Amino acid sequence: DQQVKQNSPSLSVQEGRISILNCDYTNSMFDYFLWYKKYPAEGPTFLISISSIKDKNEDGRFTVFLNKSAKHLSLHIVPSQPGDSAVYFCAASGSGTYKYIFGTGTRLKVLA
Amino acid sequence: GAGVSQTPSNKVTEKGKYVELRCDPISGHTALYWYRQSLGQGPEFLIYFQGTGAADDSGLPNDRFFAVRPEGSVSTLKIQRTERGDSAVYLCASSPGTANDYGYTFGSGTRLTVV
Repeated sequence: DQQVKQNSPSLSVQEGRISILNCDYTNSMFDYFLWYKKYPAEGPTFLISISSIKDKNEDGRFTVFLNKSAKHLSLHIVPSQPGDSAVYFCAASGSGTYKYIFGTGTRLKVLA
Repeated sequence: GAGVSQTPSNKVTEKGKYVELRCDPISGHTALYWYRQSLGQGPEFLIYFQGTGAADDSGLPNDRFFAVRPEGSVSTLKIQRTERGDSAVYLCASSPGTANDYGYTFGSGTRLTVV
């Protein structure tokens, strides 16, 4: 049973436009969410987090939105750059826990 | 070092052999995690250490897998009687405390291939 789902395996976006990566979860006890970016042959790199007490968190070009009622979060990248091309994972956990459940990832390709 | 270091970066072993994978966390990070990533999947939790003790080993798939962190720093993941299904990238991560606010810092992983 996949508790964290990223239903789009890949996404292509033109440079300068917005990239929107989506993530759905099934466990209502999840209340911390992370996004990671992964380049080939490297470990995942932490991007941005959000807790369930917020519905939005912003860090530079990256914004994460959380819709708890829909059990849905999204990562917006504006403007997209070719260096953003990577696999993006969302991950979720319950409060005070350390064990994150990861989605299967979305491969983003930003076209120059 | 500045980051999480994992050695070896690649390991090819024959079915039935024993392997050890090493992780050097970021200095001062008390929490250490092992994850496994199979092709086309996200990282899957294996085990979590807080200091020297394994606080949660519920993700270890079976008793062929074991991990230690004897001095609260370096950790070794040990796999006995390897099987082809164990082939994956094994990721180690560390954090100064709980990962909720700032996530883990992952190493580059060890790609294990069992032939």
